[in-house]
Amino acid sequence: NAGVTQTPKFRILKIGQSMTLQCTQDMNHNYMYWYRQDPGMGLKLIYYSVGAGITDKGEVPNGYNVSRSTTEDFPLRLELAAPSQTSVYFCASRKQANTGELFFGEGSRLTVL
Amino acid sequence: KQEVTQIPAALSVPEGENLVLNCSFTDSAIYNLQWFRQDPGKGLTSLLLIQSSQREQTSGRLNASLDKSSGRSTLYIAASQPGDSATYLCAVRPGEETSGSRLTFGEGTQLTVNP
Repeated sequence: NAGVTQTPKFRILKIGQSMTLQCTQDMNHNYMYWYRQDPGMGLKLIYYSVGAGITDKGEVPNGYNVSRSTTEDFPLRLELAAPSQTSVYFCASRKQANTGELFFGEGSRLTVL
Repeated sequence: KQEVTQIPAALSVPEGENLVLNCSFTDSAIYNLQWFRQDPGKGLTSLLLIQSSQREQTSGRLNASLDKSSGRSTLYIAASQPGDSATYLCAVRPGEETSGSRLTFGEGTQLTVNP
């Protein structure tokens, strides 16, 4: 039962470096999401996708990009890392639009120095 | 804009106590509400999902209620155990929005159950 899998679990970046956070799900879910969680804060939506080839911005998209070439994969790209992007990133997916339960990955902890 | 508030931010109780966690939301036109548990350094695990047409959902020692008209949900935990110690978050699927079915999260209640 893999569910939603994120890699890497931890990463340290220098300012200006780029990297991609990987997310894959094996539940054939159409809807996928990227959230960030800062200490003591709720989750903020970065980007989401309603199916392969379709993505859209969430609340805090600046500094990030996404793609959705397959149903299973939804990578999140940081082009020029900044200290403000230090956070824990969660990928999530759901099957149905309105009533479906949301499933989360275990998170990727990113530090930008 | 939908806002979700959870009170208290932190709660410490002795083992065996029954407790209630609160979640309030400003826009009562929701599709559903979901309660999650988050252990330190881990992702979120879904506990209960209540559709807008439902009043409550139960799973084991957990019972979640929903009162849409007052914009409130409660998570009741019976006979608490140290293993229940975690952060509990609620999230609502707001209004008539159809794009992506985005959830709005509360900031969570950090629960500690003392042996």
